[in-house]
Amino acid sequence: KQEVTQIPAALSVPEGENLVLNCSFTDSAIYNLQWFRQDPGKGLTSLLLIQSSQREQTSGRLNASLDKSSGRSTLYIAASQPGDSATYLCAATFYGNNRLAFGKGNQVVVIP
Amino acid sequence: DGGITQSPKYLFRKEGQNVTLSCEQNLNHDAMYWYRQDPGQGLRLIYYSQIVNDFQKGDIAEGYSVSREKKESFPLTVTSAQKNPTAFYLCASGRRGDSYEQYFGPGTRLTVT
Repeated sequence: KQEVTQIPAALSVPEGENLVLNCSFTDSAIYNLQWFRQDPGKGLTSLLLIQSSQREQTSGRLNASLDKSSGRSTLYIAASQPGDSATYLCAATFYGNNRLAFGKGNQVVVIP
Repeated sequence: DGGITQSPKYLFRKEGQNVTLSCEQNLNHDAMYWYRQDPGQGLRLIYYSQIVNDFQKGDIAEGYSVSREKKESFPLTVTSAQKNPTAFYLCASGRRGDSYEQYFGPGTRLTVT
């Protein structure tokens, strides 16, 4: 079964620290992996998409890496700010299955 | 102004009534999706459609129905057969056969009492 896991469910960091969020998946036949941000009561905002042929993607303070062999993706947020407080979800598309498999998310609080 | 719209933002219904949630997109995407989000459960796929006049069941389709008569629209009906309809419903769209990247609407919170 193709599953995506995000641990821990919740974490807090002091403002200014780098934030590291991990996502693991059970099937190495991954087509792509997408990171989303969700604010309370809102929809999902796409942050980064990494294709299986890529090792990482960067956008501003965000960097996401993909390691298919170990079944892991990591989202780095540099110099975290209180405005980064949100839930971050990762979702994978696997070969032979055009649906997204979602992790349950990391709820992040950046403490001023 | 391209994007996905869902209406209404909040919806209240009495038990036993059917209710239809609207989802419209002007991104020219072929594929559209409906998810349900419950606390602690993550997103679960209800139905999806890859092309007009065609749709497939997701993981939790029981008690729901959809139609895809136009490329831009993918309404979801929550029927009285759905045992626990109170949830946050999210619609998404994406390109077919490309990156399968999905873009989400703002969501509709449905409360059934």
